[in-house]
Amino acid sequence: GQQVMQIPQYQHVQEGEDFTTYCNSSTTLSNIQWYKQRPGGHPVFLIQLVKSGEVKKQKRLTFQFGEAKKNSSLHITATQTTDVGTYFCAGPYDYKLSFGAGTTVTVRA
Amino acid sequence: NAGVTQTPKFQVLKTGQSMTLQCAQDMNHEYMSWYRQDPGMGLRLIHYSVGAGITDQGEVPNGYNVSRSTTEDFPLRLLSAAPSQTSVYFCASSYPGQGIQYFGAGTRLSVL
Repeated sequence: GQQVMQIPQYQHVQEGEDFTTYCNSSTTLSNIQWYKQRPGGHPVFLIQLVKSGEVKKQKRLTFQFGEAKKNSSLHITATQTTDVGTYFCAGPYDYKLSFGAGTTVTVRA
Repeated sequence: NAGVTQTPKFQVLKTGQSMTLQCAQDMNHEYMSWYRQDPGMGLRLIHYSVGAGITDQGEVPNGYNVSRSTTEDFPLRLLSAAPSQTSVYFCASSYPGQGIQYFGAGTRLSVL
């Protein structure tokens, strides 16, 4: 089964609002990756976090890796319609990458 | 630079038919994998390969076969299609296996 759990599964956001999606692992991770999939598209790599407590920003997106390297979060500020899609986190297990079920984001204009 | 190319983009099969989903990459990646995506289930690993001549099962391998005769190509075969195999299939490549995954555009398969 999936080693990485994501919550929430769905996130309905008013345009301009902030939201956060969370990713949790059952074991300590060497790194965690985040991907975005637009509706009808394929997953596209966003970022990789490696260090404990690491925080990285991409414009309005802020990614954080937990101190224990077992969880991660993606925070989006001032949501726009371009943020619509499914966000996946992924962690390495047994030389493979395990993806969470994703958080699907819809935006109300 | 084409990246990861999947064919076909869409396919409709009847129950019991067989077919091969094609995947090719031009990035000289050692690691290639096949995922299926179903609503609410995320991306589930079907089979993967760490290099030419080496393949292994992922989370949901039943009903699928793979082979890896070259670094570039990693076809996925459905032996006898079933309605439960209706899904979107993604091929991905990376170097190494736990590195950044580059996905193809996907194949949308319906089995009637």
